[in-house]
Amino acid sequence: GIQVEQSPPDLILQEGANSTLRCNFSDSVNNLQWFHQNPWGQLINLFYIPSGTKQNGRLSATTVATERYSLLYISSSQTTDSGVYFCAVEDPSGGYQKVTFGTGTKLQVIP
Amino acid sequence: EAGVAQSPRYKIIEKRQSVAFWCNPISGHATLYWYQQILGQGPKLLIQFQNNGVVDDSQLPKDRFSAERLKGVDSTLKIQPAKLEDSAVYLCASSFWSGANVLTFGAGSRLTVL
Repeated sequence: GIQVEQSPPDLILQEGANSTLRCNFSDSVNNLQWFHQNPWGQLINLFYIPSGTKQNGRLSATTVATERYSLLYISSSQTTDSGVYFCAVEDPSGGYQKVTFGTGTKLQVIP
Repeated sequence: EAGVAQSPRYKIIEKRQSVAFWCNPISGHATLYWYQQILGQGPKLLIQFQNNGVVDDSQLPKDRFSAERLKGVDSTLKIQPAKLEDSAVYLCASSFWSGANVLTFGAGSRLTVL
């Protein structure tokens, strides 16, 4: 099956700093999503981004499907950004709309 | 729109006991997923339904886990008998089968096996 690796695994930021999270995948994908898992465990969909760039407030994401990676940018980080960020890909060879998650990046934003 | 509902939120059982989790997806969502998330790891797909049919259960430990989705709406995931390594959060997600396959997750059911 498809392998999805994220980096860095852990990140500590001072409030107000910017960061870039990376997601690499081993094969072609139908689409890619970014999720934020808050400290209470709830997974929230941030972006559905099979290719190109999208922005939502302080967050933006870019997927370069031909090079098999995606980036999530967080600008002017806030303590509420803390949690784990996952990318998830839809594997066209893995079954009907099968969605595989990456290893995650744990972000801690300190005041 | 109402979100994905899951229950119970927390469950503590002894090993070899059984447990069941329930999920009610967003109305109209044809695809339903059950994921297992062990502490410190990403969610792992256990089973995926399209309406009331199974489309992927390749990672479901079928000797102890079972799942059904009657009438293509809500779903139950059962573990019998439970093992210590089944301690995890069980996440249910649903998506609308058309165009963008955007997943919406429930709050999860946290299982502790003692």
